[in-house]
Amino acid sequence: SQTIHQWPATLVQPVGSPLSLECTVEGTSNPNLYWYRQAAGRGLQLLFYSVGIGQISSEVPQNLSASRPQDRQFILSSKKLLLSDSGFYLCAWSGFYNEQFFGPGTRLTVL
Amino acid sequence: SQQGEEDPQALSIQEGENATMNCSYKTSINNLQWYRQNSGRGLVHLILIRSNEREKHSGRLRVTLDTSKKSSSLLITASRAADTASYFCATDSGTYKYIFGTGTRLKVLA
Repeated sequence: SQTIHQWPATLVQPVGSPLSLECTVEGTSNPNLYWYRQAAGRGLQLLFYSVGIGQISSEVPQNLSASRPQDRQFILSSKKLLLSDSGFYLCAWSGFYNEQFFGPGTRLTVL
Repeated sequence: SQQGEEDPQALSIQEGENATMNCSYKTSINNLQWYRQNSGRGLVHLILIRSNEREKHSGRLRVTLDTSKKSSSLLITASRAADTASYFCATDSGTYKYIFGTGTRLKVLA
């Protein structure tokens, strides 16, 4: 069966520090991968999606970037965090019928 | 309103009652999906309904889709305290991108 992992689960970072969040998927090959951000009590904002290794589409201009160095690995990064980067970050992959399967999320607090 | 907007924003019912939440969207879609999110957790896929389907059932869940009105509804019958969560609709327009609504927060009182 397929599983999706995200780490870390929680992160507290100072403004201006770098960021690296990792997501890995097991049990499937060549998945479409997604990064979302969710503000407290709000819906999901699509940040990036990838349909293959090295293929990244950005949906929201910001100081975040994404990379897909391996088929089942998706990384969200920033060189310098802003206060507005705080939120709940979710990684997901899409299945045969385009349903999405989400990881447990990373709660990021930027102070 | 934005694509995939749920209504109501919050709903509080007694255990055993039915819960109905609605989703409206703006553009044509391939399918519409409903998800549940427990507090502080990732989203869980509940049900998918294709654009050529009008109704779908899964256990205590019933989803309807009206493409002429660009709306969908999710009915949870005989609700339980464990159904307390936020529910989101998401639309798939066939572009690899999914548009999620703002969610309905459901609280089921025991």
